[in-house]
Amino acid sequence: GAVVSQHPSWVICKSGTSVKIECRSLDFQATTMFWYRQFPKQSLMLMATSNEGSKATYEQGVEKDKFLINHASLTLSTLTVTSAHPEDSSFYICSARDADSTDTQYFGPGTRLTVL
Amino acid sequence: GQQLNQSPQSMFIQEGEDVSMNCTSSSIFNTWLWYKQDPGEGPVLLIALYKAGELTSNGRLTAQFGITRKDSFLNISASIPSDVGIYFCAGQLWYNQGGKLIFGQGTELSVKP
Repeated sequence: GAVVSQHPSWVICKSGTSVKIECRSLDFQATTMFWYRQFPKQSLMLMATSNEGSKATYEQGVEKDKFLINHASLTLSTLTVTSAHPEDSSFYICSARDADSTDTQYFGPGTRLTVL
Repeated sequence: GQQLNQSPQSMFIQEGEDVSMNCTSSSIFNTWLWYKQDPGEGPVLLIALYKAGELTSNGRLTAQFGITRKDSFLNISASIPSDVGIYFCAGQLWYNQGGKLIFGQGTELSVKP
């Protein structure tokens, strides 16, 4: 089946530093990937849609200069949280859309970010 | 952001009981999906529904795409302890929306052996 990986699975960083999270589709090509954020006991909230070879589309209220997204290949999208602050601590989950298989979205295992 | 109305928020049931949860929306969706999320992991797709009125089963799970395209339900029959987790419905948008998903608030299921 379609597998999506994320790296790292968890990261702890100091306030003010930047953190990069990778999302890879392992056995299919994904022209579109999505980045979500999930706070404890809450639902997934879409942050941005990442399209291979073009600029990401951000949801309302998400700062594009703070959450940098790069989708340089059909199997890799990265999310960089710049100048992280404690309020950015969350569970970040990516999904990849398999355009060859009913456009189903498959989710990665998530990355737990803790900003001290 | 936009969300679906999912209910109930939580359920505490005895092993062997059937479970039902549903989602409603004021908007029409082209596709409805149901996911299960275990703690500290990403959501896993359970059932995808593509047509209004569609009824689809996956083992002990059955889901339906409402005829108005504004609602969906998920039933779990004869629950077992490994059914514990959070279940999310999601509506998928098309037509210049890039296929993005809008999630319900989740239903947390607890199963007592």
